[in-house]
Amino acid sequence: DAKTTQPPSMDCAEGRAANLPCNHSTISGNEYVYWYRQIHSQGPQYIIHGLKNNETNEMASLIITEDRKSSTLILPHATLRDTAVYYCIVRVGGSQGNLIFGKGTKLSVKP
Amino acid sequence: DAGVTQSPTHLIKTRGQQVTLRCSPKSGHDTVSWYQQALGQGPQFIFQYYEEEERQRGNFPDRFSGHQYPNYSSELNVNALLLGDSALYLCASSLPGEYSDGAFFGQGTRLTVV
Repeated sequence: DAKTTQPPSMDCAEGRAANLPCNHSTISGNEYVYWYRQIHSQGPQYIIHGLKNNETNEMASLIITEDRKSSTLILPHATLRDTAVYYCIVRVGGSQGNLIFGKGTKLSVKP
Repeated sequence: DAGVTQSPTHLIKTRGQQVTLRCSPKSGHDTVSWYQQALGQGPQFIFQYYEEEERQRGNFPDRFSGHQYPNYSSELNVNALLLGDSALYLCASSLPGEYSDGAFFGQGTRLTVV
């Protein structure tokens, strides 16, 4: 079973920041948090991952709480093309552990 | 770099038949994982191949089997197809190591069993 809990859906206005929350209260010390998104009928796309420090790349920022029980994915300036299902995943089983997907959050970016 | 490529993109099979789906990983990636995604659900892990061996397996029956070739490409075989096997089948490739950037997914094969 997935080790994460996410809201089923969220809306965001175009140009505003989208903040997607994720709870992972049973995460272990060496387990990474990964975020993927899936645009309709396409394969999931890797966004970002982290262990305990905040991370930023060209797509998004990942904020992980100090106790590591929750995290937030931030899309700084959402566009219509960011409309997708966003999956927060705790990768179990070490560096080659598989990804256990939940149902994700359906983000709708509106004009 | 073509990324992860899967073939075919769409497939229709009859109940009881067998099907083979194919995956070419991203250049330089040696680990291939397969996922099944039913409509409206998140992808479910089927199994993972590394060095031509099945390394991990999810909760799928033995009707689902796979293979990895020396060039790292992989096949997913499903025997005795059931209507419930209709789904999007995704292949993902990755690099070993603690700091790898996750897995890269192909566009999937849409399998319809009638």
